[in-house]
Order: sequence, then C-alpha cells, then structure tokens
Amino acid sequence: QVHLVESGGGVVQPGGSLRLSCAASGFNFSNFGIHWVRQAPGKGLEWMTVISFDGNVKHYADSVKDRFTVSRDNSKNTAFLHMSGLRPEDTALYYCATDERGQLMDYWGQGTLVSVSS
Amino acid sequence: HLVLTQSPSASASLGASVTLTCTLSSEHSDYAIAWHQHQPERGPRYLMKIKGDGSHIRGDGTPDRFSGSSSGPERYLTISGLQSEDEAEYYCQTWDTGVWVFGGGTKLTVL
Repeated sequence: QVHLVESGGGVVQPGGSLRLSCAASGFNFSNFGIHWVRQAPGKGLEWMTVISFDGNVKHYADSVKDRFTVSRDNSKNTAFLHMSGLRPEDTALYYCATDERGQLMDYWGQGTLVSVSS
Repeated sequence: HLVLTQSPSASASLGASVTLTCTLSSEHSDYAIAWHQHQPERGPRYLMKIKGDGSHIRGDGTPDRFSGSSSGPERYLTISGLQSEDEAEYYCQTWDTGVWVFGGGTKLTVL
C-alpha cells in the first residue's frame, strides 16, 4: 500500500538551513504530484508547496516563497524540501502528501518535526 | 481570495451522528473540496472529495458511515454511528490555480 516517510527534521538555529526528504513506496511515484504541508504547534494545517509528477511545475505559498525549494528524484522515489533562512515561526511538523490530479492530498506521511530555536 | 471557514469545535455522543460544515468564500461557492481527518499523534488521512453538486467520492478505506453533501457555498461532512476513534481534527481543503487552501479545522469531541 501507499507509504510515505518523511525524514530530516531536527533543531536548527534561526537563519539556518535544513533539507527534508519524503521517501515513497507502494505506488508509481512518478505519476503523482507531491505536496508539503506543515502544522505549527497549536495551529492548523498550512499548505506550503507542491511539485508536479515530473518536477516541471512547482507552486509555493507566499509564506515560504524565496526561502523554500521543492524538488524530486523519481529514480529514487523521493521528494525533497530545501529550507533556508529558517525562522522561529517555521517550527512545525512537516508532512508530505501525494496528489494524483493536482487537486487534493490523497495519502499522507507521518511527519517530521522541525524546531527553529537559538 | 479563496477562503474556507470552519467552526473550531463540535461534539456529539457515542453512536450518534454529527455534521461538520465548511464554507467557501462567496466567489468560490461552486468549488469542490476535500475533507481530511487528523487524529492525535498520526498523519492526516484523506476522507473524501465533495463537488458543488453534492456528489462525493470517498477515499480508499473511508467507511460508509462518513458521507458528504453540499448546499450553496457550504460543504458538509456527516459522520454516523460515532465511534471513539472519530475524535479528531477535521480539515476541509480546496484548490485553485497555483494555490491550495485549508480551513482552520474543527475539533470533534466524542462524548
């Protein structure tokens, strides 16, 4: 069955960088777009970015544009979220999710925690 | 701009039914939405897609006791025969060109 595993989270100082990974299995990864969604402590879900099935189309929320970059390696069934210029307000659980038709999140991972603190 | 509005909380008794509401911004009243369930300590889970005409498509493994409907800009998620594991946060979500949006979530308490 569909399985998504996020990794790469941790504690980072303000202004620092981090790269999250989303490893996929159980489905044809190269047929699905991938979203990154986060949840800050005590807050709701916030959409951040999506990358199309072939990596050619990317969209970003205003809150992360110019700081975060999404990419994927279909040969390794993995998507990535490169985060730079991290701020304390970026502290959150980060989830990746599949998207078959460019509409909604079909399957979700369990999340990886990012904490931005000095 | 594209906005989804949800009540922050809802509650109902074990075995009863409850309907959660998600309201689209007026200029987007015919948009489809998706409902996602987020249980504590777990990743979110896609439940179903609801179109403007009220038709709905459940996700893989979504039980029949979860159903959807719509009226104007409102999209509904009805849960029948409430079980303790239904206690969770429920988010509606929609999309437009280059943007995906979540509602603020409704925390459902099963009494």
